[in-house]
Amino acid sequence: GQQLNQSPQSMFIQEGEDVSMNCTSSSIFNTWLWYKQDPGEGPVLLIALYKAGELTSNGRLTAQFGITRKDSFLNISASIPSDVGIYFCAGYVTGGGNKLTFGTGTQLKVEL
Amino acid sequence: SAVISQKPSRDICQRGTSLTIQCQVDSQVTMMFWYRQQPGQSLTLIATANQGSEATYESGFVIDKFPISRPNLTFSTLTVSNMSPEDSSIYLCSVEPASEAFFGQGTRLTVV
Repeated sequence: GQQLNQSPQSMFIQEGEDVSMNCTSSSIFNTWLWYKQDPGEGPVLLIALYKAGELTSNGRLTAQFGITRKDSFLNISASIPSDVGIYFCAGYVTGGGNKLTFGTGTQLKVEL
Repeated sequence: SAVISQKPSRDICQRGTSLTIQCQVDSQVTMMFWYRQQPGQSLTLIATANQGSEATYESGFVIDKFPISRPNLTFSTLTVSNMSPEDSSIYLCSVEPASEAFFGQGTRLTVV
């Protein structure tokens, strides 16, 4: 099946730092989605991307749909403690119907 | 966005028993999706549930183990049958009214 590799797998942040994570695929995607999951909750949609090269912001979050359509990245600027959680990329593969494929996840932790 | 409610939010079950998870959406949707999230893992699609037809299962998931009902356009159930400890996971319901998937809060199942 399709695989989405996310990196880094986990990272520590200090409040105020910018954070960057990315997602790569072996297949072409026609939609990229970024989700955040807090403990005990379902994933919450952060940003949706529909066109290659598209750059979209949602507050302190910015995501881009890669030109090759096989990758995407998410940036978080000026991180705050509530940014802690697990971030998942997800996408619809071209010709793959309505099946959403999820990335492996990036866990954001606060460095003590 | 769609509002999705799942019941129960969590349960602890004895091995060999079955649990039915309910998913209610606040609007009519054509397709509903059930995912499994094993501890520390990403989300894996179990099946797609369409109203008026049998669910479509992904590779590795079978109807006898995960029977699904879809009696109308706002409701679906997933049953986890003859449970074993390996079934301990978070089970999530999702809808995709456009090209963006929205999730319920999930059902955290622990099998002892």
